[in-house]
Amino acid sequence: DAKTTQPNSMESNEEEPVHLPCNHSTISGTDYIHWYRQLPSQGPEYVIHGLTSNVNNRMASLAIAEDRKSSTLILHRATLRDAAVYYCILREIQAGTALIFGKGTTLSVSS
Amino acid sequence: NAGVTQTPKFRVLKTGQSMTLLCAQDMNHEYMYWYRQDPGMGLRLIHYSVGEGTTAKGEVPDGYNVSRLKKQNFLLGLESAAPSQTSVYFCASRPTPGTGGLNTEAFFGQGTRLTVV
Repeated sequence: DAKTTQPNSMESNEEEPVHLPCNHSTISGTDYIHWYRQLPSQGPEYVIHGLTSNVNNRMASLAIAEDRKSSTLILHRATLRDAAVYYCILREIQAGTALIFGKGTTLSVSS
Repeated sequence: NAGVTQTPKFRVLKTGQSMTLLCAQDMNHEYMYWYRQDPGMGLRLIHYSVGEGTTAKGEVPDGYNVSRLKKQNFLLGLESAAPSQTSVYFCASRPTPGTGGLNTEAFFGQGTRLTVV
């Protein structure tokens, strides 16, 4: 799997938008971009994934650069519950193998 | 629908003891995975299975064995525990990608905190 680069940490205020960046300059045409997050003392949970087009769901939006070498996870209004480690992961379309995690970005949210 | 359930949630072992961690999923998923997470680190893949009766090594398989005798269960065994195996262990499952190779999301358990003294 291609590698991703994320900032170690970011800070946000409650009810403000948060943009979490991820660089993946060696992404291949068959790699999906996945985002997971891990709340304190819990297992990771799925947030969103996409291939080429921007994606929206109830949790977040995923903006993918036109050349696919970077992406941004957007939390539209951060809450205290969004404080977590966010992982950006690449995975091949039909891979039977697992998600390979990096260290992710630790998001802190202040009231 | 319980999702992915890990047993036990906490355990303290003495060096050299053996134990088995159980992961059970009720979603009829084909793929199952075992990860470990050390403080300040991301998750590292230990072993995984793409179906009943199959297993494969991940990034850090040494010191661990696994079995997938039933589709819903994935067991992780430590034959002779060492302090270096002190960690939080996570199990995950996901369904087989559908027609056209669409990616699917993985579901994780709540973790097993293991301490080897």
